[in-house]
Amino acid sequence: EPEVTQTPSHQVTQMGQEVILRCVPISNHLYFYWYRQILGQKVEFLVSFYNNEISEKSEIFDDQFSVERPDGSNFTLKIRSTKLEDSAMYFCASIATGFYGYTFGSGTRLTVV
Amino acid sequence: SQQGEEDPQALSIQEGENATMNCSYKTSINNLQWYRQNSGRGLVHLILIRSNEREKHSGRLRVTLDTSKKSSSLLITASRAADTASYFCATDYNQGGKLIFGQGTELSVKP
Repeated sequence: EPEVTQTPSHQVTQMGQEVILRCVPISNHLYFYWYRQILGQKVEFLVSFYNNEISEKSEIFDDQFSVERPDGSNFTLKIRSTKLEDSAMYFCASIATGFYGYTFGSGTRLTVV
Repeated sequence: SQQGEEDPQALSIQEGENATMNCSYKTSINNLQWYRQNSGRGLVHLILIRSNEREKHSGRLRVTLDTSKKSSSLLITASRAADTASYFCATDYNQGGKLIFGQGTELSVKP
């Protein structure tokens, strides 16, 4: 079954450093998302991306965050200057136009120290 | 907040028993989805029910949706130890738009 692939699975970074989280969505999917889950809390929407632009973003997705689809297959989330509170599990997801539900990646656990 | 609550927050049952989890939401939806998450792992899509559907089955899973009460339930029949996980409902207000997740129900199935 097709999968959404996320790398790395775990990243530790110093506060203030930039991180890039990478995702390879399913090849025929057109809509892409990032969500995050702080430990013990609910999954929260960050941003949706369609047709090479952001279609919706949450209040969490401030100027420190950006997304890109640099080469038509990868979908990246960049955090410019990480804060301790950015520590969370970050999930990428994609859906097809037929829409039978989202396919989520297995996540990147980001730890900011 | 667009999302209500899930209950119970935690549920512990014996293998073979049925598990029922409930989810409520606050505004009209396009569809509601249930996901499973094993500890520290990714989200696995279980089932999607559209706003014009009342019940859906998939294997040992049965989902109901009551749009008049803005609530849904997930029933897992004949539970197994491998069903131990957290279960989340997520509402989609605009098909393909953002999902709003509930807090989840932590299910423990004892052998």
